Amino acid sequence: DGGITQSPKYLFRKEGQNVTLSCEQNLNHDAMYWYRQDPGQGLRLIYYSQIVNDFQKGDIAEGYSVSREKKESFPLTVTSAQKNPTAFYLCASSIRLDRVDYGYTFGSGTRLTVV
Amino acid sequence: SQQGEEDPQALSIQEGENATMNCSYKTSINNLQWYRQNSGRGLVHLILIRSNEREKHSGRLRVTLDTSKKSSSLLITASRAADTASYFCATDWGNSGYSTLTFGKGTMLLVSP
Repeated sequence: DGGITQSPKYLFRKEGQNVTLSCEQNLNHDAMYWYRQDPGQGLRLIYYSQIVNDFQKGDIAEGYSVSREKKESFPLTVTSAQKNPTAFYLCASSIRLDRVDYGYTFGSGTRLTVV
Repeated sequence: SQQGEEDPQALSIQEGENATMNCSYKTSINNLQWYRQNSGRGLVHLILIRSNEREKHSGRLRVTLDTSKKSSSLLITASRAADTASYFCATDWGNSGYSTLTFGKGTMLLVSP
């Protein structure tokens, strides 16, 4: 079955550590996205990518970094510069960034907690 | 902010009743989409309505769009306990041919047996 796989489901980070969240899709989608969800805040866009080796900052990119070395993969690194990283992180994909008639497919999320 | 705003924030109904959720937004859009999220899970795409459409149906879902009022509504008919979830509207408003979705804060729906 095609879909998006996020791992791990739960992640604990110590102060000052960088952590990387994995996102893999086998839908042959060109565009991929990372959103952050906080309670009562809805989803906020961190980064997005429309093609391999290219990505754009979203609304809250500070303290995060991404890479897009393969079409199928779009990992997100939460760096120590992100001062409030505890949140639910959602990865999504769509056919193409300019095909706006299609919805997004989401992964099941990674819950990151700072300990 | 372009972010859509859902209303109400929370809704509690009995099985068999209809549930109506509303979404308002601020600027012109290409399309508006509704998503569902079960607790602790990812979002699932429910329905998309284009800016030149006024109403769309999918199973027990009915979506309306009023671009003059910059608002949309999602109606779930004959609700079931399994419909319990949070529902989000998302607007696609980019005018360059490339765009990303902006999500509202969601309506939490509780359907009691």
